Amino acid sequence: QVQLQESGPGLVKPSETLSLTCTVSGGSISSYYWSWIRQPPGKGLEWIGYIYYSGSTNYNPSLKSRVTISVDTSKNQFSLKLSSVTAADTAVYYCARETYHCTNGVCYTLGFDPWGQGTLVTVSS
Amino acid sequence: SYELTQPPSVSVSPGQTARITCSGDALPKQYAYWYQQKPGQAPVLVIYKDSERPSGIPERFSGSSSGTTVTLTISGVQAEDEADYYCQSADSSGTYPRVFGGGTKLTVL
Repeated sequence: QVQLQESGPGLVKPSETLSLTCTVSGGSISSYYWSWIRQPPGKGLEWIGYIYYSGSTNYNPSLKSRVTISVDTSKNQFSLKLSSVTAADTAVYYCARETYHCTNGVCYTLGFDPWGQGTLVTVSS
Repeated sequence: SYELTQPPSVSVSPGQTARITCSGDALPKQYAYWYQQKPGQAPVLVIYKDSERPSGIPERFSGSSSGTTVTLTISGVQAEDEADYYCQSADSSGTYPRVFGGGTKLTVL
């Protein structure tokens, strides 16, 4: 079955750029939407943004000015860059897949499934 | 911004029925999704499209929708169901295509 694995630095300095990669194994990155979601310690989930395998993106308006999500289909990977980080960006970062289903001209997502195990990124000097 | 509102906590005894609600203005027009998250683990999808259950999710998990409120129902609650539960949906304008509720801690007494 499809598995997702986040990777990247666990410590980032304030004002720098956070960079993470999600590697998809056991299946193709094509024909799906791929999201980044984060969870500050002890708090709830926040959707950051998604990318379609073709490269089209959609971001959370609250983070849009600082977020870039890209995809590398040749490596079956997609990536997150979050610029000008502060301590408020300290969180566990998850990647997740969404499948879209269309029937009778109506399309909807089947939800975030599966998820990666998550990686903790701490912003500190 | 668009918000989905959940109760912070729900408590039930084993074998009873737990109901967790999620309220949002766009829920009559947008599907809702539910995720279970146990400590130290990634969330797991338990309900999609308001009331559909993914394969592998026990039948005791069900979802329903009525107006601006969706409900996750867990019948015959077991100790292993103790977890945080998050609803997820979208606003009606497309400005906020993915939004999570604040989460509900389910305690099995």
